[in-house]
Amino acid sequence: DQQVKQNSPSLSVQEGRISILNCDYTNSMFDYFLWYKKYPAEGPTFLISISSIKDKNEDGRFTVFLNKSAKHLSLHIVPSQPGDSAVYFCAAPYGGSQGNLIFGKGTKLSVKP
Amino acid sequence: DGGITQSPKYLFRKEGQNVTLSCEQNLNHDAMYWYRQDPGQGLRLIYYSQIVNDFQKGDIAEGYSVSREKKESFPLTVTSAQKNPTAFYLCASSMTRTGTNYGYTFGSGTRLTVV
Repeated sequence: DQQVKQNSPSLSVQEGRISILNCDYTNSMFDYFLWYKKYPAEGPTFLISISSIKDKNEDGRFTVFLNKSAKHLSLHIVPSQPGDSAVYFCAAPYGGSQGNLIFGKGTKLSVKP
Repeated sequence: DGGITQSPKYLFRKEGQNVTLSCEQNLNHDAMYWYRQDPGQGLRLIYYSQIVNDFQKGDIAEGYSVSREKKESFPLTVTSAQKNPTAFYLCASSMTRTGTNYGYTFGSGTRLTVV
């Protein structure tokens, strides 16, 4: 059973507009969430994270929102740039706060000039 | 510069052969991981190791083996028992499993193809 779900395999956005990537989770014990960005034929790189004690974390153009009651988080990119085109993975540690990361299936973002 | 190095970048394997993927890190990280990426499947954990000479199976360990004889190295062997080995393999490391420091650093990956 997939505990971290990214239901949109792809998303296309115009340059300068907002990109919203969504992630749902089923395990209410998850207390920390991360977003990774991956270019083709490269390893993922850490983008931004959020603790369950917060509902928002912002870092430049990237903001992650957490809705614990809905078990939902989203990554907002404003404004979107062509260089943001990549696959974005949502992740959470399972087995408690010291657990290994479990990843969603990813959403491929395409930002068109 | 500190980092994590995977080699080779591309690897071709014949049916029935074992192959070993290399992963080396100079970040002084305690934990190391192997993930497999397939199209539409995300990243799935194969094996992980928290300390030298100890490792644990992940979600899809069948047909794979690992060793952790040195802190810096965590090679993955894809054996002939792995029925569908063609995939993109990613190695990662992290400082600690305690607390919330999940600074996973990933290597650039190895593309394995069975020919």
